[in-house]
Amino acid sequence: QLQLEESGPGLVKPSETLSLTCTVSGGSISSSSYYWGWIRQPPGKGLEWIGNIYYSGSTYYNPSLKSRVTISVDTSKNQFSLKLSSVTAADTAVYYCASSLRITIFGVVVPARFVPWGQGTLVTVSS
Amino acid sequence: QSVLTQPPSVSAAPGQKVTISCSGSSSNIGNNYVSWYQQVPGTAPKLLIYDNNKRPSGIPDRFSGSKSGTAATLGITGLQTGDEADYYCGTWDSSLSAGLPVFGGGTKLTVL
Repeated sequence: QLQLEESGPGLVKPSETLSLTCTVSGGSISSSSYYWGWIRQPPGKGLEWIGNIYYSGSTYYNPSLKSRVTISVDTSKNQFSLKLSSVTAADTAVYYCASSLRITIFGVVVPARFVPWGQGTLVTVSS
Repeated sequence: QSVLTQPPSVSAAPGQKVTISCSGSSSNIGNNYVSWYQQVPGTAPKLLIYDNNKRPSGIPDRFSGSKSGTAATLGITGLQTGDEADYYCGTWDSSLSAGLPVFGGGTKLTVL
């Protein structure tokens, strides 16, 4: 079964770029069944979707973060990555990676449920 | 401000039943499937309900989901102390060309 695990620095300085990687095991990142996504959760707050990527490289971003986000995929390593630029304290959060099942409804492919999720990694933005 | 609206908290006694609502619009809940996630403090969210009312393998039938129009509801019967967690609804929004995932703000369940 699919398992996902986040990795990357736990501390990033303001104005710098946050970089995280998610390693997928138990399945291929090149599967046509999934999008691969990033979701974050600021301390004590709710979930915020950041973006998804398909193994082909097609990306979908939250409009509120789009100008600062880049998600990429490395099929040879079964990994996908997140870069968030010009970070501030407001970007401090637990960052989760998750797989999102692709389903077709009325001829349109959409991202359905997120399952499974990685365990999450706390990234703190501070000088 | 979350796209989907949930009550911040609900509470009930052990053994009782509780419902958690999730309100949206025609561009999200009204025309798409709803999922529910359970997040025990300090852990990652876990899928609880998908496609409005289906349970993944291993989820007890004490948990149920329903949808009517632009609102969805999570029901939990026979409450246990282990059910204390935050619960999130999720779906996707079709207002843009590609369906983009959206979540509710979360509801904290307290089992008194």
